[in-house]
Formats: sequence, C-alpha cells, structure tokens
Amino acid sequence: GENVEQHPSTLSVQEGDSAVIKCTYSDSASNYFPWYKQELGKRPQLIIDIRSNVGEKKDQRIAVTLNKTAKHFSLHITETQPEDSAVYFCAASSSGANNLFFGTGTRLTVIP
Amino acid sequence: DVKVTQSSRYLVKRTGEKVFLECVQDMDHENMFWYRQDPGLGLRLIYFSYDVKMKEKGDIPEGYSVSREKKERFSLILESASTNQTSMYLCASSLRSGRFEQYFGPGTRLTVT
Repeated sequence: GENVEQHPSTLSVQEGDSAVIKCTYSDSASNYFPWYKQELGKRPQLIIDIRSNVGEKKDQRIAVTLNKTAKHFSLHITETQPEDSAVYFCAASSSGANNLFFGTGTRLTVIP
Repeated sequence: DVKVTQSSRYLVKRTGEKVFLECVQDMDHENMFWYRQDPGLGLRLIYFSYDVKMKEKGDIPEGYSVSREKKERFSLILESASTNQTSMYLCASSLRSGRFEQYFGPGTRLTVT
C-alpha cells in the first residue's frame, strides 16, 4: 500500500515569513495530492489539492508543488499570518481508490 | 452547506464495554470513513465504506467493526473497549468519483478507563 511521510513534525516561523512542508509518497500510481488544515479543536478541512497532470498550483498565499519523478510534493505558505497556525496534513491517493493515505501532520506556529 | 455530524463530542467508557460511535452525513456521499487521531501519528484509517452494506479494512481495524445499513449513516463499534482505544475518532465522507475531497465530522474524544 501507499506510505506517505511528512516533514517537519513541527515548524515555527515569524509572521510574514514563508513556511514549507514536505511530503514523500511511495506508490507511483498515486495521482491526487490534497492538503488539509486542522485548527485547534476543529475538524480537518481541505485547503488545496493537486493532480499529477500539473506541477504546481497556487491559491492566494498557498501553493503546492509536485515532483512525480522524485515522488514528493510540498506546501508553501507565503506571508504567514497568526491564523495560519494549525496542523497541516498531506495525503495521497490514486484514481479509482476510495481512500486517502495521510501523512503524520506538521504543527505550524506563526509567531506574531 | 455540507454537514457531517457525530453522535457525541466526548465519551467516557469503562474497559470491556461495547461502544457505538455514529456518523451521519447529509451530502448523499457514497464513501464514508472512520479515522483515529493520536498525537504524532496523524490520521489513521480504521475502516471505510464505499456503499451501503460494504466495508473495507483500513490500516488499523483490529478491535473495531463497522456497520452501514443506510447511505447516510456509518457506525463504528468497539466490541470490548480497551484503554489503548482512548483517542479522538473522526468520521469523514466523500463522493466516489470526481472530487475526492473528504468532509470531516467534529470528532468524538473517547476515553476508556
């Protein structure tokens, strides 16, 4: 089955700086890579996703990049704000599969 | 507005008790999932279901069973609760095709004493 590894497990940045979270996956058949954000005490919510037919996707201050050859993908948050503080999970899936394989999460703290 | 609800936010049970956790979604989603979330371990899939009466084991099914008698409802059953099942349990649902986005419930924090 798929194995998704996520680093770092914790990340602290100053407000306004950028944050990068990296994930690797093992199954070359995986072609869908979402990122979920979980604020303290709340449920995980999808913030951005990418499919394997593109190498990068941006949505305002967040972007995701994908390197299929190396089997890794990353989340980039620019101009971080205190409300970006949360746990972020990456995941991978292949089309036709019904389930996602999640990484272990990164706790991001943005220091005002 | 999409909605996934879980029967309890907090639950305290004794070792050996049978525990039922219920999840209901109102989005007509085919897929439903049960995860447990523990610090440092992320979201681990217990079971999922892609249709009524269908179920598939996830990564950590031992000690759990599930039931899906209706499309909107997915139950997680702990046949005989143990202290190592103390955790946060999250339910989710998604469409079977098209967008794979999973919508999560608020979670149930289960404590087994």
